[in-house]
Amino acid sequence: GENVGLHLPTLSVQEGDNSIINCAYSNSASDYFIWYKQESGKGPQFIIDIRSNMDKRQGQRVTVLLNKTVKHLSLQIAATQPGDSAVYFCAGSSGGYQKVTFGIGTKLQVIP
Amino acid sequence: DAGVTQSPTHLIKTRGQHVTLRCSPISGHKSVSWYQQVLGQGPQFIFQYYEKEERGRGNFPDRFSARQFPNYSSELNVNALLLGDSALYLCASSLRGGQGLYEQYFGPGTRLTVT
Repeated sequence: GENVGLHLPTLSVQEGDNSIINCAYSNSASDYFIWYKQESGKGPQFIIDIRSNMDKRQGQRVTVLLNKTVKHLSLQIAATQPGDSAVYFCAGSSGGYQKVTFGIGTKLQVIP
Repeated sequence: DAGVTQSPTHLIKTRGQHVTLRCSPISGHKSVSWYQQVLGQGPQFIFQYYEKEERGRGNFPDRFSARQFPNYSSELNVNALLLGDSALYLCASSLRGGQGLYEQYFGPGTRLTVT
């Protein structure tokens, strides 16, 4: 199955700076990756996704980069805001949403 | 429109007991997935149901079972509860399931504590 993990368990950034959250995966068969944001007491919230045939995808203030050569995924958040403080999970799957495997998670702390 | 709803919000059970957790998907969504999230970890996939059929199963013992009803709501059942079953149980719905890539929307979860 999928094995998705994160390099840094906690990331602290100044408000207004850019944040980069990294993720490594081991399953070469993964063809779909998703980033989720989870605030305290809530379920995960979809942020952005990317298919394995893409290298980059941009959303509103967020960008996901995929490097299949080194099996690495990153989430970039531009102009980080206090409301971005949460735990961020990368997740991967093969064959759609039949089985989505989550990583450990990175806690993002935004310093005002 | 209402999002994914789950009940109950919190639950305390004793070892050996049985528990049933409920989930109502977003209106129009036909797929429901269940996840277990232990404190400090990412969610772990348990089941996916689509059109009332099981379409995916994670590495959980047979004590865990689920079903989906004609109205697409779902129940997760856990028998013979163990202390290690204490976790946040998340339900996610999506428009479709199976091989399709359809965004999942998560509910707030049910916090189960086994004593």
